[in-house]
Amino acid sequence: DAKTTQPPSMDCAEGRAANLPCNHSTISGNEYVYWYRQIHSQGPQYIIHGLKNNETNEMASLIITEDRKSSTLILPHATLRDTAVYYCIVKTGANNLFFGTGTRLTVIP
Amino acid sequence: KAGVTQTPRYLIKTRGQQVTLSCSPISGHRSVSWYQQTPGQGLQFLFEYFSETQRNKGNFPGRFSGRQFSNSRSEMNVSTLELGDSALYLCASSPITQGDTQYFGPGTRLTVL
Repeated sequence: DAKTTQPPSMDCAEGRAANLPCNHSTISGNEYVYWYRQIHSQGPQYIIHGLKNNETNEMASLIITEDRKSSTLILPHATLRDTAVYYCIVKTGANNLFFGTGTRLTVIP
Repeated sequence: KAGVTQTPRYLIKTRGQQVTLSCSPISGHRSVSWYQQTPGQGLQFLFEYFSETQRNKGNFPGRFSGRQFSNSRSEMNVSTLELGDSALYLCASSPITQGDTQYFGPGTRLTVL
Protein backbone atom coordinates (compact mmCIF):
# COMPACT_ATOMS: atom_id res chain seq x y z
CA ASP A 1 0.00 0.00 0.00
CA ALA A 2 1.07 3.55 -0.67
CA LYS A 3 3.02 5.06 2.18
CA THR A 4 3.95 8.25 0.32
CA THR A 5 2.10 11.23 -1.12
CA GLN A 6 3.51 13.26 -3.98
CA PRO A 7 2.07 16.03 -6.15
CA PRO A 8 1.04 14.61 -9.52
CA SER A 9 2.97 17.14 -11.57
CA MET A 10 5.42 20.01 -11.36
CA ASP A 11 7.15 22.34 -13.79
CA CYS A 12 10.64 23.74 -13.44
CA ALA A 13 12.56 26.22 -15.57
CA GLU A 14 15.74 24.90 -17.12
CA GLY A 15 18.78 25.81 -15.03
CA ARG A 16 16.76 26.35 -11.88
CA ALA A 17 16.58 24.03 -8.89
CA ALA A 18 13.77 21.52 -8.92
CA ASN A 19 12.38 20.75 -5.48
CA LEU A 20 10.17 17.68 -5.36
CA PRO A 21 8.27 17.12 -2.10
CA CYS A 22 7.12 13.84 -0.59
CA ASN A 23 5.04 13.13 2.49
CA HIS A 24 5.56 9.88 4.36
CA SER A 25 3.91 10.53 7.70
CA THR A 26 3.63 6.85 8.68
CA ILE A 27 7.26 5.98 8.08
CA SER A 28 8.81 3.63 10.62
CA GLY A 29 12.15 4.11 12.29
CA ASN A 30 13.98 1.53 10.21
CA GLU A 31 12.50 2.47 6.83
CA TYR A 32 14.52 4.31 4.24
CA VAL A 33 13.32 6.97 1.81
CA TYR A 34 14.33 6.15 -1.76
CA TRP A 35 13.98 8.22 -4.91
CA TYR A 36 13.86 6.81 -8.41
CA ARG A 37 12.96 8.42 -11.69
CA GLN A 38 11.62 6.99 -14.89
CA ILE A 39 12.15 8.60 -18.23
CA HIS A 40 9.51 7.63 -20.72
CA SER A 41 9.16 3.82 -20.83
CA GLN A 42 12.71 3.20 -19.64
CA GLY A 43 13.57 1.30 -16.48
CA PRO A 44 13.47 3.33 -13.26
CA GLN A 45 16.78 4.97 -12.43
CA TYR A 46 18.00 5.08 -8.84
CA ILE A 47 18.71 8.60 -7.66
CA ILE A 48 19.38 8.70 -3.93
CA HIS A 49 18.23 7.36 -0.59
CA GLY A 50 18.44 8.26 3.07
CA LEU A 51 17.38 7.26 6.56
CA LYS A 52 17.39 10.43 8.62
CA ASN A 53 20.37 12.52 7.59
CA ASN A 54 20.43 14.72 4.52
CA GLU A 55 22.22 13.10 1.63
CA THR A 56 23.91 14.40 -1.52
CA ASN A 57 25.37 12.68 -4.54
CA GLU A 58 26.29 13.68 -8.06
CA MET A 59 22.68 13.65 -9.17
CA ALA A 60 20.70 15.22 -6.35
CA SER A 61 20.27 16.13 -2.71
CA LEU A 62 17.78 14.61 -0.32
CA ILE A 63 16.49 16.63 2.59
CA ILE A 64 14.59 14.67 5.26
CA THR A 65 12.76 16.55 8.00
CA GLU A 66 13.76 15.92 11.56
CA ASP A 67 10.53 14.05 12.32
CA ARG A 68 11.07 12.05 9.10
CA LYS A 69 7.49 12.62 8.02
CA SER A 70 8.45 14.34 4.79
CA SER A 71 11.36 14.81 2.44
CA THR A 72 12.42 16.86 -0.55
CA LEU A 73 14.45 15.79 -3.53
CA ILE A 74 16.49 18.64 -4.97
CA LEU A 75 17.89 18.66 -8.49
CA PRO A 76 20.21 21.68 -8.25
CA HIS A 77 20.27 22.74 -11.90
CA ALA A 78 17.49 21.08 -13.84
CA THR A 79 18.06 20.25 -17.49
CA LEU A 80 15.65 19.08 -20.18
CA ARG A 81 16.96 15.55 -19.64
CA ASP A 82 15.60 15.65 -16.09
CA THR A 83 12.04 15.58 -17.43
CA ALA A 84 10.68 12.33 -15.99
CA VAL A 85 8.34 10.79 -13.43
CA TYR A 86 9.93 10.88 -9.99
CA TYR A 87 8.98 8.28 -7.41
CA CYS A 88 9.43 8.64 -3.67
CA ILE A 89 9.42 5.23 -1.99
CA VAL A 90 9.51 4.19 1.63
CA LYS A 91 11.48 0.98 1.69
CA THR A 92 11.25 -1.68 4.32
CA GLY A 93 13.94 -4.31 4.50
CA ALA A 94 12.32 -6.33 1.72
CA ASN A 95 13.05 -5.89 -1.97
CA ASN A 96 9.42 -5.31 -2.94
CA LEU A 97 9.33 -1.63 -3.76
CA PHE A 98 5.94 0.04 -3.85
CA PHE A 99 5.82 2.65 -6.59
CA GLY A 100 2.96 5.10 -6.22
CA THR A 101 1.95 7.44 -9.00
CA GLY A 102 4.96 9.71 -8.60
CA THR A 103 5.45 13.31 -9.69
CA ARG A 104 5.73 14.13 -13.36
CA LEU A 105 8.42 16.79 -13.57
CA THR A 106 8.55 18.83 -16.74
CA VAL A 107 11.61 21.00 -17.27
CA ILE A 108 10.74 23.96 -19.43
CA PRO A 109 13.32 25.61 -21.72
CA LYS B 1 30.20 -2.69 -14.44
CA ALA B 2 27.58 -3.56 -16.98
CA GLY B 3 24.04 -2.85 -15.89
CA VAL B 4 21.06 -5.13 -15.68
CA THR B 5 20.22 -6.61 -19.05
CA GLN B 6 16.89 -7.97 -20.18
CA THR B 7 16.02 -9.98 -23.24
CA PRO B 8 14.16 -9.71 -25.44
CA ARG B 9 13.41 -6.00 -25.40
CA TYR B 10 10.17 -6.36 -27.34
CA LEU B 11 7.85 -9.30 -27.74
CA ILE B 12 4.49 -9.87 -29.40
CA LYS B 13 2.39 -12.89 -28.45
CA THR B 14 -1.21 -13.96 -28.87
CA ARG B 15 -3.73 -14.84 -26.19
CA GLY B 16 -3.28 -18.30 -24.75
CA GLN B 17 0.42 -18.55 -25.53
CA GLN B 18 3.13 -18.55 -22.93
CA VAL B 19 6.24 -16.38 -22.74
CA THR B 20 9.61 -16.48 -21.02
CA LEU B 21 11.57 -13.34 -20.25
CA SER B 22 15.19 -13.27 -19.18
CA CYS B 23 17.16 -11.02 -16.84
CA SER B 24 20.90 -10.91 -16.20
CA PRO B 25 21.74 -9.00 -13.02
CA ILE B 26 24.70 -6.75 -12.40
CA SER B 27 27.80 -8.84 -11.82
CA GLY B 28 27.99 -9.85 -8.18
CA HIS B 29 24.34 -9.15 -7.46
CA ARG B 30 22.43 -12.09 -6.11
CA SER B 31 18.92 -10.76 -5.73
CA VAL B 32 16.64 -10.35 -8.72
CA SER B 33 13.18 -8.81 -8.51
CA TRP B 34 10.54 -8.58 -11.21
CA TYR B 35 7.96 -5.85 -11.70
CA GLN B 36 5.07 -5.29 -14.08
CA GLN B 37 4.18 -1.82 -15.32
CA THR B 38 0.87 -1.06 -16.99
CA PRO B 39 -0.83 2.28 -17.63
CA GLY B 40 -3.71 1.35 -15.36
CA GLN B 41 -1.94 -0.24 -12.40
CA GLY B 42 1.46 1.42 -12.53
CA LEU B 43 4.55 -0.41 -11.35
CA GLN B 44 3.74 -3.53 -9.34
CA PHE B 45 6.03 -6.02 -7.65
CA LEU B 46 5.81 -9.58 -8.96
CA PHE B 47 8.43 -11.57 -7.05
CA GLU B 48 12.01 -11.65 -5.86
CA TYR B 49 14.58 -14.41 -6.11
CA PHE B 50 17.70 -14.80 -4.04
CA SER B 51 20.07 -17.76 -4.14
CA GLU B 52 17.72 -19.61 -6.49
CA THR B 53 14.82 -19.32 -4.02
CA GLN B 54 11.78 -17.11 -4.16
CA ARG B 55 12.11 -14.74 -1.23
CA ASN B 56 9.13 -12.42 -1.73
CA LYS B 57 5.99 -12.60 -3.81
CA GLY B 58 3.48 -9.99 -4.92
CA ASN B 59 -0.22 -10.40 -5.53
CA PHE B 60 -0.27 -11.96 -8.98
CA PRO B 61 -1.97 -15.16 -10.19
CA GLY B 62 -0.12 -18.43 -10.48
CA ARG B 63 0.23 -17.94 -14.25
CA PHE B 64 3.19 -15.74 -13.36
CA SER B 65 6.20 -17.70 -12.24
CA GLY B 66 9.92 -17.32 -12.12
CA ARG B 67 13.17 -18.99 -11.35
CA GLN B 68 16.76 -18.12 -10.71
CA PHE B 69 19.84 -19.98 -11.80
CA SER B 70 23.07 -20.57 -9.91
CA ASN B 71 24.73 -17.68 -11.77
CA SER B 72 21.93 -15.39 -10.49
CA ARG B 73 20.36 -14.98 -13.91
CA SER B 74 16.60 -15.11 -13.69
CA GLU B 75 13.68 -15.92 -15.94
CA MET B 76 10.02 -15.20 -15.55
CA ASN B 77 7.29 -17.08 -17.29
CA VAL B 78 3.72 -16.13 -18.01
CA SER B 79 1.42 -18.93 -19.12
CA THR B 80 -1.93 -18.68 -20.86
CA LEU B 81 -1.43 -15.07 -21.82
CA GLU B 82 -4.30 -12.63 -21.52
CA LEU B 83 -4.71 -9.25 -23.17
CA GLY B 84 -4.22 -7.61 -19.78
CA ASP B 85 -0.74 -9.06 -19.51
CA SER B 86 0.46 -6.51 -22.07
CA ALA B 87 2.94 -4.50 -20.08
CA LEU B 88 6.51 -3.44 -19.54
CA TYR B 89 8.22 -6.11 -17.45
CA LEU B 90 11.11 -4.81 -15.42
CA CYS B 91 13.86 -6.65 -13.66
CA ALA B 92 15.92 -5.18 -10.83
CA SER B 93 19.00 -6.55 -9.12
CA SER B 94 20.62 -5.82 -5.78
CA PRO B 95 23.74 -7.15 -4.10
CA ILE B 96 22.87 -9.38 -1.20
CA THR B 97 20.76 -8.11 1.64
CA GLN B 98 17.19 -7.00 1.34
CA GLY B 99 18.22 -3.55 2.42
CA ASP B 100 20.44 -3.01 -0.60
CA THR B 101 19.56 -0.63 -3.40
CA GLN B 102 17.86 -2.14 -6.44
CA TYR B 103 19.01 -1.25 -9.94
CA PHE B 104 16.63 -1.69 -12.84
CA GLY B 105 17.07 -2.98 -16.34
CA PRO B 106 15.53 -1.41 -19.45
CA GLY B 107 12.54 -3.75 -19.42
CA THR B 108 10.82 -6.07 -21.87
CA ARG B 109 7.78 -4.67 -23.64
CA LEU B 110 5.24 -7.48 -24.04
CA THR B 111 2.25 -7.02 -26.31
CA VAL B 112 -0.50 -9.63 -26.24
CA LEU B 113 -2.82 -9.67 -29.24
